[in-house]
Amino acid sequence: GAGVSQSPSNKVTEKGKDVELRCDPISGHTALYWYRQRLGQGLEFLIYFQGNSAPDKSGLPSDRFSAERTGESVSTLTIQRTQQEDSAVYLCASSPRAGLGLGFSYEQYFGPGTRLTVT
Amino acid sequence: LAKTTQPISMDSYEGQEVNITCSHNNIATNDYITWYQQFPSQGPRFIIQGYKTKVTNEVASLFIPADRKSSTLSLPRVSLSDTAVYYCLVDRGSTLGRLYFGRGTQLTVWP
Repeated sequence: GAGVSQSPSNKVTEKGKDVELRCDPISGHTALYWYRQRLGQGLEFLIYFQGNSAPDKSGLPSDRFSAERTGESVSTLTIQRTQQEDSAVYLCASSPRAGLGLGFSYEQYFGPGTRLTVT
Repeated sequence: LAKTTQPISMDSYEGQEVNITCSHNNIATNDYITWYQQFPSQGPRFIIQGYKTKVTNEVASLFIPADRKSSTLSLPRVSLSDTAVYYCLVDRGSTLGRLYFGRGTQLTVWP
């Protein structure tokens, strides 16, 4: 079946401009996550959505970052007034739900990412 | 946060068994140990998960001692295509799936 898709795959923008990144999760997955990965670094959690619950925004680095999700489908991550330090790969992941199942923790399925370059 | 420590890099040759050890001294009772693999220009991919003792799937084995303060990912008979970054995570169910990735271990397999 279809995996997580993200668009665009690459985005080059000028400092100060706004950008919008899109994530299409796997159908039926109620949990959706955004991460940021700087060059040569591990992944940095940004935000997650679980069904209709209020999103966990604890990882957003500043108020320039925001994200929305419509129901249990598409999510958009918006970065306003981009800065050069925002340059990174932005990864989206989805899972059937967040947290623990019976004797396991739900795995996350990642998309290919959007490479954002701020010039 | 449950911090993990793993080697920055490892080298191996095709056909060898590779063991990557991760330490997680402050693991809690509800935590699971999960390993992900990441190829260049791709998102991470789940490899294996365990709570204690040994778990094996078609890709790897995961060994977890009784005190759960460390774990070892074992990749049997690696090939060139196993060259990737491997992340050890302590998946804390109480944080509802917010995964904390360190820098991982860059495994390079040579012919």
